[in-house]
Amino acid sequence: SQQGEEDPQALSIQEGENATMNCSYKTSINNLQWYRQNSGRGLVHLILIRSNEREKHSGRLRVTLDTSKKSSSLLITASRAADTASYFCATDAHTGANNLFFGTGTRLTVIP
Amino acid sequence: DTGVSQDPRHKITKRGQNVTFRCDPISEHNRLYWYRQTLGQGPEFLTYFQNEAQLEKSRLLSDRFSAERPKGSFSTLEIQRTEQGDSAMYLCASSLVGRGGPYNEQFFGPGTRLTVL
Repeated sequence: SQQGEEDPQALSIQEGENATMNCSYKTSINNLQWYRQNSGRGLVHLILIRSNEREKHSGRLRVTLDTSKKSSSLLITASRAADTASYFCATDAHTGANNLFFGTGTRLTVIP
Repeated sequence: DTGVSQDPRHKITKRGQNVTFRCDPISEHNRLYWYRQTLGQGPEFLTYFQNEAQLEKSRLLSDRFSAERPKGSFSTLEIQRTEQGDSAMYLCASSLVGRGGPYNEQFFGPGTRLTVL
């Protein structure tokens, strides 16, 4: 399976701290995307990093990609209570379909 | 709102009934995807369309499931003879894939939560 796997499964931090989530996958990819999902809601696209990129920033988000290790990390700096959500990494198949493969997510809780 | 929309947001049905969900993608997007998400899991791919053509189906998509995108715009997902195991969140996503390469940034709708009693 190409499914990504996030680590840790759950993370609880104090507001203001940084949160780091990791993702590992198994096969070659075109790109890797991170999504956020609030409980019972749809997924919100956070950031896409291409296979030839190593790091990308968007606001308080920093994503790294190491294709040699088939892993990615998502760093949220200066966390806020509103960041409480599940975070998923999604990889695409290295074929024409480009459907996404998701892991089971990291459940982040930011304590005010 | 120019995002992906889905209707209905919630559906409760009795086992054996048929249900149909609708997805309206972002207007200029040429690809439309359906995913299913069960509690505590990430979304799982069901099927996708490039314009009006359905190009791939997952093995999860049994013969009780059918999807259409008749004019390359909105799509419907029908489940016939629903079973309790069909209870899940059904998510639709769309993307624009063009000459620049299939970067395939997918944007998701709010989902339709199906409960089969």
